[in-house]
Amino acid sequence: DGGITQSPKYLFRKEGQNVTLSCEQNLNHDAMYWYRQDPGQGLRLIYYSQIVNDFQKGDIAEGYSVSREKKESFPLTVTSAQKNPTAFYLCASSTSGGETDTQYFGPGTRLTVL
Amino acid sequence: AQSVTQLGSHVSVSEGALVLLRCNYSSSVPPYLFWYVQYPNQGLQLLLKYTTGATLVKGINGFEAEFKKSETSFHLTKPSAHMSDAAEYFCAVSVGKNTGFQKLVFGTGTRLLVSP
Repeated sequence: DGGITQSPKYLFRKEGQNVTLSCEQNLNHDAMYWYRQDPGQGLRLIYYSQIVNDFQKGDIAEGYSVSREKKESFPLTVTSAQKNPTAFYLCASSTSGGETDTQYFGPGTRLTVL
Repeated sequence: AQSVTQLGSHVSVSEGALVLLRCNYSSSVPPYLFWYVQYPNQGLQLLLKYTTGATLVKGINGFEAEFKKSETSFHLTKPSAHMSDAAEYFCAVSVGKNTGFQKLVFGTGTRLLVSP
């Protein structure tokens, strides 16, 4: 089945640690996105990538980093510089990133900082 | 800047009743508009989208939405609610018109509660 997988489903981190969230897609999509979801705030864009080896900051990129070495993969690292990392993180992909594209979402990773 | 407002963080209906979830947008150019649904602890799934053409858009699970430019609205409706419709619904506008690349701006969501 084609789709987007995110792992792990739940992640616990101690303060001061970096953690990496995995996102893989087998839809042959060029564009990929990372969002953060907090209760009552909707989704906010962290980073996006339209093509391999290229990515752009979204609205809340501070304290996060990404890489896009393969078309299928777009991992997100939450660094210790992110002041309030506890949230639900969603990865998405779309065909080309075009303005009318449908974004397809993974099941999410819930990160909790202890 | 383009933005989306969803009126009502929670909407409660009885099974079989009309569902109406409100979405208003602000945009300096004709917008592309989307409705997504999220079930608990899951990702989002597209219900429907408006790009061009017919202003009444039909989506999955019996939902539809009408683009009204004069009212800057894109409200989501369903004639008869099912228990399985209980979820959170997000309206979004695409803001990529000048770059050719899609960035979605989401509303804060409306949680639909369906009672027997």
